[in-house]
Amino acid sequence: LAKTTQPISMDSYEGQEVNITCSHNNIATNDYITWYQQFPSQGPRFIIQGYKTKVTNEVASLFIPADRKSSTLSLPRVSLSDTAVYYCLVGSMDSSYKLIFGSGTRLLVRP
Amino acid sequence: GAGVSQSPSNKVTEKGKDVELRCDPISGHTALYWYRQSLGQGLEFLIYFQGNSAPDKSGLPSDRFSAERTGGSVSTLTIQRTQQEDSAVYLCASSLSEGRTDTQYFGPGTRLTVL
Repeated sequence: LAKTTQPISMDSYEGQEVNITCSHNNIATNDYITWYQQFPSQGPRFIIQGYKTKVTNEVASLFIPADRKSSTLSLPRVSLSDTAVYYCLVGSMDSSYKLIFGSGTRLLVRP
Repeated sequence: GAGVSQSPSNKVTEKGKDVELRCDPISGHTALYWYRQSLGQGLEFLIYFQGNSAPDKSGLPSDRFSAERTGGSVSTLTIQRTQQEDSAVYLCASSLSEGRTDTQYFGPGTRLTVL
C-alpha cells in the first residue's frame, strides 16, 4: 500500500498560487492519485484526481511527473476560503481495499 | 440531489455503553465507507461495503466495532462497550461503485464523545 508524505502546514496570502507536494515513493502501477479538501467540522470534499502528467479542473491543477513518485496540487490565486486541510491519497482498484489518508497539509491563507 | 447524511450529528455517551451510528448514502451509490477521525488527526479507514457485503473489515479497531448495511443502502456502525479512546468523528462516504477512482462523497460526520 502506497504511503504518502505531505508538509504538515503551509502559509500563503490571498491571490497567490499555492503548490502542495505529496510524496508517494512506492506507488503501484494501478494506483491513482486523489486530493481532498476538508474544512473544520465537515467531511472531506473531492478536489481532483489523476494518473499521470497533468490534470486541470475549475478548482485546481494536478501535476504528476513521469516516475509518479510525487504529485503537486496547484491552487491558483487562493482566497481566504481556501484555508483548509488538503489530503493526498493513493489507491487502486485491487481487492484488498483500504484507502489511506495521511495527516494532510494545513493551508492557512492570510489577507 | 441529497448528499450523504449521518445521524446523530453529535453523540455523548458514558463509558461502557453501546452506540449506533447511522449513514444514508447517496441514492444509487453501491459502495459505502466508514472512517474515523480523531481530533487534529487524519482519517482512518474502518470498513467498506460493496452492496450489502463488506469485503474488508480489517480496519475495524477491535471486535467491539461492527457494521452492517441492509438493502444496499443505509449502514449502521455499532460500537459496543464504548471506551474513551473511541471518542472521534465518524465519517461515512459513498461512491457510485467500488473503484478507488470513483469520487467518494462524504457526510458531515457524527462526533462521538465517550465520557
